[in-house]
Amino acid sequence: EVQLVESGGGLVQPGGSLRLSCAASGFTFNPYWMHWVRQAPGKGLVWVSRIDDGGSTITYADSVKGRFTISRDNAKDTLYLQMNSLRAEDTAMYYCARGIGGARHFDYWGQGALVTVSS
Amino acid sequence: QSALTQPPSASGSPGQSVTISCTGTSRDVGHYDYVSWYQQHPGKAPKLMIYEVSKRPSGVPDRFSGSKSGDTASLTVSGLQAEDEADYYCCSYAGSSNVFGTGTKVTVL
Repeated sequence: EVQLVESGGGLVQPGGSLRLSCAASGFTFNPYWMHWVRQAPGKGLVWVSRIDDGGSTITYADSVKGRFTISRDNAKDTLYLQMNSLRAEDTAMYYCARGIGGARHFDYWGQGALVTVSS
Repeated sequence: QSALTQPPSASGSPGQSVTISCTGTSRDVGHYDYVSWYQQHPGKAPKLMIYEVSKRPSGVPDRFSGSKSGDTASLTVSGLQAEDEADYYCCSYAGSSNVFGTGTKVTVL
């Protein structure tokens, strides 16, 4: 069974940092592109970032570019999102998702990790 | 990277059909046949319902169908059932990014 389990969420002050992890199991992690998608409370889904299978092709939404860093460790079947210079508007549930055909669509999602940026 | 436009809400009685539109631009929906649709129940993760405009993943009822014309994609839910009440989001590949729609809350009356 394919599983994606996020961890690392929590409460952080504005300007602070946090690293999310997404542990994958039930499938061969290496060939798949992986994505982060977030959802602010009561709002819609917003794509955040993606990384190719080898970790060399990476893109970000303009809203997080320069502040967030996506990475992966294929030996540990784990996806990461390092979030720096956090702002109140980054408060959201963060989902990791498996990409099909690279970035054509997302077939499996984790249950999400809640990040709250507040003083 | 502007969000795709969806109506905020849609509704129908059990057994009826509802269609949700998703309007983008020539840089996303109009350029690629990589439009997908996701269903999200409250407090749950999104679930893939349609991919590549009109294809259904295994396990998704054939009551769900998708189409596209120009810069607008559509999701139709036929034979509405109580469990179809949820939020629905479209998503399009856009080259160096992916972009989601604003979301539509479907209510089964």
